[in-house]
Amino acid sequence: DAGVTQSPTHLIKTRGQQVTLRCSPKSGHDTVSWYQQALGQGPQFIFQYYEEEERQRGNFPDRFSGHQFPNYSSELNVNALLLGDSALYLCASSLGPEQYFGPGTRLTVT
Amino acid sequence: KNEVEQSPQNLTAQEGEFITINCSYSVGISALHWLQQHPGGGIVSLFMLSSGKKKHGRLIATINIQEKHSSLHITASHPRDSAVYICAMGSQGNLIFGKGTKLSVKP
Repeated sequence: DAGVTQSPTHLIKTRGQQVTLRCSPKSGHDTVSWYQQALGQGPQFIFQYYEEEERQRGNFPDRFSGHQFPNYSSELNVNALLLGDSALYLCASSLGPEQYFGPGTRLTVT
Repeated sequence: KNEVEQSPQNLTAQEGEFITINCSYSVGISALHWLQQHPGGGIVSLFMLSSGKKKHGRLIATINIQEKHSSLHITASHPRDSAVYICAMGSQGNLIFGKGTKLSVKP
């Protein structure tokens, strides 16, 4: 079992651009959560997907959107990138209460 | 005020020392998580507990629901334990994280 995988590992974008990050959950997991971790801070919950629907959402603007596919993989899209969007984006999958984290995607906005 | 507070923020120890990291939270919870994050970002779940105590190898996690407090202990610390340790509250999704405790164990 490959565990939770994320792509790409690193990404550099310019202000105003759009970005798509991808996550493949651990085998058998049906729920995917996304988190943003700014440097020196704990992760902040963005949203969670279950059965291809957004089930919960944190305090993030509409520029942050997502999608879950029938195979439970998920995408995080961020539009109109700001410098402040530079962070590590973590995906976590779960079947029950315990979450398994991916290695993250490091996004740098210049 | 952050809903999850950790202390200390930074911790330096000598190899072999007993380590304690504390976590306090402000609201009732269904579960508390202890996680480990190494440089580069990957997060590993260490414990999820809702009462009592759990042990895994040299790691022990305790929780006191009445006092809204949890501790993570590392016995016989080793340089490979150097990492950021994060506590988080919540159950399925929507975890609320503390800012983490950066532990450095010197040989």
